[in-house]
Amino acid sequence: GAVVSQHPSWVICKSGTSVKIECRSLDFQATTMFWYRQFPKQSLMLMATSNEGSKATYEQGVEKDKFLINHASLTLSTLTVTSAHPEDSSFYICSARPPGTAYGYTFGSGTRLTVV
Amino acid sequence: DAKTTQPTSMDCAEGRAANLPCNHSTISGNEYVYWYRQIHSQGPQYIIHGLKNNETNEMASLIITEDRKSSTLILPHATLRDTAVYYCIASGSNDYKLSFGAGTTVTVRA
Repeated sequence: GAVVSQHPSWVICKSGTSVKIECRSLDFQATTMFWYRQFPKQSLMLMATSNEGSKATYEQGVEKDKFLINHASLTLSTLTVTSAHPEDSSFYICSARPPGTAYGYTFGSGTRLTVV
Repeated sequence: DAKTTQPTSMDCAEGRAANLPCNHSTISGNEYVYWYRQIHSQGPQYIIHGLKNNETNEMASLIITEDRKSSTLILPHATLRDTAVYYCIASGSNDYKLSFGAGTTVTVRA
């Protein structure tokens, strides 16, 4: 149990286009989901906290107009990278936590975004 | 989240126990110690977490010192598939965001 599914696994897009990444909790409901970004040979950096039914909370330095987050249901959060540029190329990962303290946070398998 | 300190890298022999230390001297009373690992190009995988007591599951054991200022993750019988970056994180329990440090790169050698 406690599976988070992320789609797509990888995507290549042209500069200036937008890309949407989906994060789904498959067997539990998640009022909160988290989006991370990871550049090569670096650790995960939290970008934003996605809140079901309300606005996302962005970490300092993350442009909310560029990284649009929507958490329309208790099992789905989406991250849209708008007007993508090559410097947005990265590994994007989402996570969520099943209810209760028995589990830790579960992470998706990540999305490798390459902007050309 | 309280800051954690881990060694940059460790080598372990296959079949032997791997002991991964973590210092979290500023951890507060309501913060748990979480351990995750990340195999190359995958999302992090949850290993174990604890508050005060030692914990064991099918993957590993977590030993937390009595003063909670440090902990050790024990992989009882390391295999080549345990080669990964291991992250120790101190965080609250309810929808608290996790802040990842640099972690420990563990290489299991045959």
